[in-house]
This record gives sequence, structure tokens and C-alpha cells, in this order.
Amino acid sequence: DAGVTQSPTHLIKTRGQQVTLRCSPISGHKSVSWYQQVLGQGPQFIFQYYEKEERGRGNFPDRFSARQFPNYSSELNVNALLLGDSALYLCASSLDLGISPLHFGNGTRLTVT
Amino acid sequence: AQTVTQSQPEMSVQEAETVTLSCTYDTSESNYYLFWYKQPPSRQMILVIRQEAYKQQNATENRFSVNFQKAAKSFSLKISDSQLGDTAMYFCAFMKRNDMRFGAGTRLTVKP
Repeated sequence: DAGVTQSPTHLIKTRGQQVTLRCSPISGHKSVSWYQQVLGQGPQFIFQYYEKEERGRGNFPDRFSARQFPNYSSELNVNALLLGDSALYLCASSLDLGISPLHFGNGTRLTVT
Repeated sequence: AQTVTQSQPEMSVQEAETVTLSCTYDTSESNYYLFWYKQPPSRQMILVIRQEAYKQQNATENRFSVNFQKAAKSFSLKISDSQLGDTAMYFCAFMKRNDMRFGAGTRLTVKP
């Protein structure tokens, strides 16, 4: 079975640009979460979506947005990129909300220059 | 808000020996879940072990076991018979409802 897939694997953008990251969850998983992992730190929660609705939001500015599609895949958008947005962006899926463990993808490495 | 603290930024262990990674957390909740994730250089976060707070028995998964002390809010990971493939970043995580918080991680190096 395919795991969580994320695209692209690497991305280089310039300050002020916009970026869209994509995630396909494990088949059957209805919840998708996004995390930002800055080098040397643990992942920080950005969003969680379940059944196409936002169910949780971390402490990130409004430049960050996301959505979930009917097939449960998800996109994370970041507008007006800053140098500090450079990080590994991880997507995780789970069967449902609550106690199901998260299964992570390999992440998208975003570099903002 | 829940916080997770991993006080050991780096650790090393000889192959075949045992190592314990520390984790403490702060919460006012009584029902929650704790996890250890491994992140090798490939970047993928891999679930190592999980513990439900309402269970007193410590979780075990093959060479990996935890020492869960709920009153002390401590959740350490013991790796027995360490293998070279165990070299990775290890993250402790706390989850309540939809909110998962991670510690800063411990970099573990297994030496041959």
C-alpha cells in the first residue's frame, strides 16, 4: 500500500512569492494534518483537516492556508513568502480524528531566498 | 497549553547496548496519548511506539519500550540491543484530541 505522498520533494522560491504544497493521504484515511519543521526543531502544527473541514489550526499567520478535496488529498498554500518560511513541511494522515496515530510523508523541503 | 521537553539534544550508544531517551511533558489533561517518532536522514517520521495515558502498563514494541510515569509526567524511551539502523532523530509527542505537540528531539547515534 502506498504511504503518504507529498509533492514536490524540494522547492526553491523567492521572498514574496506564493507556494502550493500537495499531499495524498494513505488510502482510507480521512484526516490530513500539516506540520512545519524548521531545521533543528520538532514539527510545529499548522492545520488539520477532516472530511474537507478545518478541524484545527496552529499559531501561524493568515499567509498560511490549506484545503482538503473530496478524495481527501490536501494542499497547503503559503503567500508572501518570508525567509523564515524555509523549512521541511510534513503532511500526515490518520484514519480519523482522535486517537489514530499519524502517518507522515517524506516532506517537502522549501527554501526561500 | 501542552509542552513537551526533551532534555538530551544528542546521545550516542554502542551497537548492541541499551540507551534511554528522556521526555517530560506538561498538561492539565487526564486522558491523552504519548508517542515516540523516529526521523532518519530520509526525513520520514516513523511511529516507534505509543502509550495511552489511561493504561498503567508500559508499552513495548520489540526492542523498544517506554517507562511511563503519569504522576511525574515522564515518558522515556528505552532501546535495547541498539542497531546501526536506529541512528536517527527521536521525537517525543503528546496528543490530546486533534492537537499533537512534539519535543525538540534527541539525535541518537549508534556506534559500531
